[in-house]
Amino acid sequence: SYELTQPPSVSVSPGQTARITCSGDALPKQYAYWYQQKPGQAPVLVIYKDSERPSGIPERFSGSSSGTTVTLTISGVQAEDEADYYCQSADSSGTYKVFGGGTKLTVL
Amino acid sequence: EVQLVESGGGLVKPGGSLRLSCAASGFTFSNAWMSWVRQAPGKGLEWVGRIKSKTDGGTTDYAAPVKGRFTISRDDSKNTLYLQMNSLKTEDTAVYYCTTTVTTGGFDYWGQGTLVTVSS
Repeated sequence: SYELTQPPSVSVSPGQTARITCSGDALPKQYAYWYQQKPGQAPVLVIYKDSERPSGIPERFSGSSSGTTVTLTISGVQAEDEADYYCQSADSSGTYKVFGGGTKLTVL
Repeated sequence: EVQLVESGGGLVKPGGSLRLSCAASGFTFSNAWMSWVRQAPGKGLEWVGRIKSKTDGGTTDYAAPVKGRFTISRDDSKNTLYLQMNSLKTEDTAVYYCTTTVTTGGFDYWGQGTLVTVSS
């Protein structure tokens, strides 16, 4: 079955830039989406179609894509950004959706 | 305002059945493709399956671990999504979220989730 691979954890100090990667063979063909999830809460979409930002999401969140890897970048990280982040995409057919394993962002 | 409200979770024995519901409001439910996503305790997100709108065929797709045991359906007259879960296993224990793709192609909106516990 198709898989997306994320690092389990990323740590940054406040004000620094956090980068979270997600790798998958079908990413050149399928869009990637990023979700933020805080403890006890439902996920929130923060990036769609690789690099678009939904309304209401701060500008410090951005996304990029290169080959089989997509990256979520959080510039000027704030304490409130501490959360789990999940990438999501689909297999090459577009039918079956898949999530990465998640990355825990720790703000030191 | 878009709202998705799940219900029907609870404790069920292995091999048992349960039906979850998701009441939707704030958008044109009949036009929306709806999905279920679950999250086992302390684990990541897992896509369960999706149902297309009736105008797009109303067909369903399921993740491999639930195919043949779970059935997604919808009642557009009630703006409600369902997940019928049969032959439940302990590994199906999770919070089940109802989600929809309305504007972005991703899962724009999520319910608060309902907990399903499969245990003897």
